[in-house]
Formats: sequence, structure tokens, C-alpha cells
Amino acid sequence: SAVISQKPSRDICQRGTSLTIQCQVDSQVTMMFWYRQQPGQSLTLIATANQGSEATYESGFVIDKFPISRPNLTFSTLTVSNMSPEDSSIYLCSASDPGDEQYFGPGTRLTVT
Amino acid sequence: GIQVEQSPPDLILQEGANSTLRCNFSDSVNNLQWFHQNPWGQLINLFYIPSGTKQNGRLSATTVATERYSLLYISSSQTTDSGVYFCAVGINQGGKLIFGQGTELSVKP
Repeated sequence: SAVISQKPSRDICQRGTSLTIQCQVDSQVTMMFWYRQQPGQSLTLIATANQGSEATYESGFVIDKFPISRPNLTFSTLTVSNMSPEDSSIYLCSASDPGDEQYFGPGTRLTVT
Repeated sequence: GIQVEQSPPDLILQEGANSTLRCNFSDSVNNLQWFHQNPWGQLINLFYIPSGTKQNGRLSATTVATERYSLLYISSSQTTDSGVYFCAVGINQGGKLIFGQGTELSVKP
């Protein structure tokens, strides 16, 4: 099973600023994903982070707001840009290989004031 | 798109009781996972079960893919079982998961 770490674990940010979240996997994986969990809600997929190419975004999420990088098979970043209070959520990254179980990082708890 | 429905939305149990959580999905899936989200927000993998039955200690799960549902059984519940249980399904080799709305379980001592 993959072990996934995220940094930071939590942050409090002012509106209008940006935050970059890092996700590190302890082994090479084919697929990495970023999810958002708004307060009291379920998880929603933001995008699939593709190694060496642009991320694939789900409906309702755009690259300008959530730029994603994936420079190699073990690391990805998600930036939350020009933040507003509505961006206050837990952001989780996950990883898996095709046909295999998906594992999640511990999440980044973001509060925007 | 595929719909994932979990029931019940909330459940309160006395310690030692048994429970069954249900996950219905509206289309064929190639992946189904059950997770427990603890009070600190960590998602813990319980089962990877696109079909069949698995058991792990006091927990077991059954997925009947042809009838598009999965069940999670918790026996002899403990207070540490409290939290939110999510069912999530994958529909293609792309790997992304679609989550249900969860069942919030509270186990009282």
C-alpha cells in the first residue's frame, strides 16, 4: 500500500492570496488525484494530475483557480489561487495504479479569512 | 453520470451493537472501496471490493455487482468506530473515484 504525505497539514490564509499544497508518495504510482471536501460534505474530485502533461480537470474546476503540477511519479502540487472564504475545505491527494486500490493522504485543512 | 447513494445518512449505536451500511450505485463499476473518515479527517481504507465478500476482523463487506449495491457490516461496535463511512466507486481505468454522501456513525459507550 502507498504511504502518502501532504504539506502543510493545515493553514489559515487571507482572501486574495494563494496556497500551494504538496503531496509526496513513498513509491512510484501511475495516477495521482486531488479532491476537495467542503465542510460537512463528501469528497469531490478536482483533477487528475498527469505526469509530464497538463492535469485533467473535472467539471466546475479550472486550471487558473487550481493549477496542478506533477513533475515525476511520486510528487504533485495543488495551488489554490486568489482564495475566498468559499475555498475553506480539506484538500486531499490520492494515488493508485490501474486496477488497484486508491490511497489517500492525511489532507490539508484550509481556512480562508 | 453515475449516482452513488448511501444509507442511512446517520446512525447511532450502543457499544456492542451490530450495524449494516448500504451503498447503491446506478451503473456498472470496476472499482468499489469503503473508507472510514476519523474525527481528524484521515481517510482509512477498509475494503477494496468491486465484487464478492471480504472480512477483516469485526468488519466485513459484500458487493453484488450485478444488482449494483454493496454492504458494510460492523459487528460488536466500539466507540472508536465512530466517524463517517464512505463508499466510493470507479467506472473506468482512469482511476477516479465518485463518492457517496457518507454514513455518519456514532457509537455511544
